[in-house]
Amino acid sequence: SQQGEEDPQALSIQEGENATMNCSYKTSINNLQWYRQNSGRGLVHLILIRSNEREKHSGRLRVTLDTSKKSSSLLITASRAADTASYFCATDDDKIIFGKGTRLHILP
Amino acid sequence: DTGVSQDPRHKITKRGQNVTFRCDPISEHNRLYWYRQTLGQGPEFLTYFQNEAQLEKSRLLSDRFSAERPKGSFSTLEIQRTEQGDSAMYLCASSLETGPYGYTFGSGTRLTVV
Repeated sequence: SQQGEEDPQALSIQEGENATMNCSYKTSINNLQWYRQNSGRGLVHLILIRSNEREKHSGRLRVTLDTSKKSSSLLITASRAADTASYFCATDDDKIIFGKGTRLHILP
Repeated sequence: DTGVSQDPRHKITKRGQNVTFRCDPISEHNRLYWYRQTLGQGPEFLTYFQNEAQLEKSRLLSDRFSAERPKGSFSTLEIQRTEQGDSAMYLCASSLETGPYGYTFGSGTRLTVV
């Protein structure tokens, strides 16, 4: 079963714009992680936010976590063509459970 | 150590045949995970090991599936009597037990059952 659910399912934006993806989950978590997957490839870990954290930054990535709403968001600033990929949130329960992902397409 | 390796990258097999995939995790990682991913979906958890012990198996893992990690290093995933519905990307990941840390994924094995 999949715990997280990303929104939107697909997103197309112009290069240079910011991209925001949301994730909702159902049960309490220890931490929440975001991963990127380029077409047909393995997943790459982007960032992990613990349940007692509200915001975390890594380069052009900003992640927020609202445990009261059971939701998280991933913001990619100043998007680039190389950011075109699927993005997944994953919640940690001894093993991580993924959502269905947001397919992000950066238009030139 | 160059990361998590999976072999083969692609496998085409006829329905009813058995297939085996291998995963070599990062050497110092004592946890190893198997996921399955179909087109347009997120990875679905199959099973995971801590060292050589298989700690959890998903209900997705039917009796035709078996996974081993004999010496706590590499792992194999075998599918017996393959069915067309087994066609998917099989992903392996590893992590440290203590954390929290992100997982390191391999590039996956794409299985096509014809």
